[in-house]
Amino acid sequence: AQSVTQPDIHITVSEGASLELRCNYSYGATPYLFWYVQSPGQGLQLLLKYFSGDTLVQGIKGFEAEFKRSQSSFNLRKPSVHWSDAAEYFCAVGALPNTGFQKLVFGTGTRLLVSP
Amino acid sequence: KAGVTQTPRYLIKTRGQQVTLSCSPISGHRSVSWYQQTPGQGLQFLFEYFSETQRNKGNFPGRFSGRQFSNSRSEMNVSTLELGDSALYLCASSPGDRAFSGNTIYFGEGSWLTVV
Repeated sequence: AQSVTQPDIHITVSEGASLELRCNYSYGATPYLFWYVQSPGQGLQLLLKYFSGDTLVQGIKGFEAEFKRSQSSFNLRKPSVHWSDAAEYFCAVGALPNTGFQKLVFGTGTRLLVSP
Repeated sequence: KAGVTQTPRYLIKTRGQQVTLSCSPISGHRSVSWYQQTPGQGLQFLFEYFSETQRNKGNFPGRFSGRQFSNSRSEMNVSTLELGDSALYLCASSPGDRAFSGNTIYFGEGSWLTVV
């Protein structure tokens, strides 16, 4: 069965510092991987996705993530954090069976706090 | 292009009542899926509809049901509400067609349900 682990429940980063959020997945085949962000009281906004090809993917808002098959990881990074990045971040893995549907399995999320 | 629209955004219901939530997917998307988000259980998949047919179902009791209309709009219904049904219910849409490898899933803002 698919599963996603986000080992950090909370992370505090100073504004302007770099950020790395960890995500490990368990899936028997080539995974489809996503990072979503959720601001308080809001839905999920897609940051980036990995389906195949280049293992370093670029997303919106200056985020990037690197897929490492050998480590079963898909860590999210940003070189310089802005106060507006404070939110909860979810990593998700999706299988694409032949039906064309993906059921997303989410990690428990990492809450990012940005200090002045 | 308009995003995923969910109504109502907020609602309060009493135990034992039923509730219906509505979702309009992105134009052209034929797959609509529903997720429940709670502090204790995180984000969990409820069910998915494609072309008016339920293709996949999560591990929820029969009190949770849904349907999809010919215009791809979807509704989910929860009958005999329990306190534990208080949650953010998120709707997501994607093309859903097997011809689209690696469907990206887009989420709405969610419907906040409080059961008292």
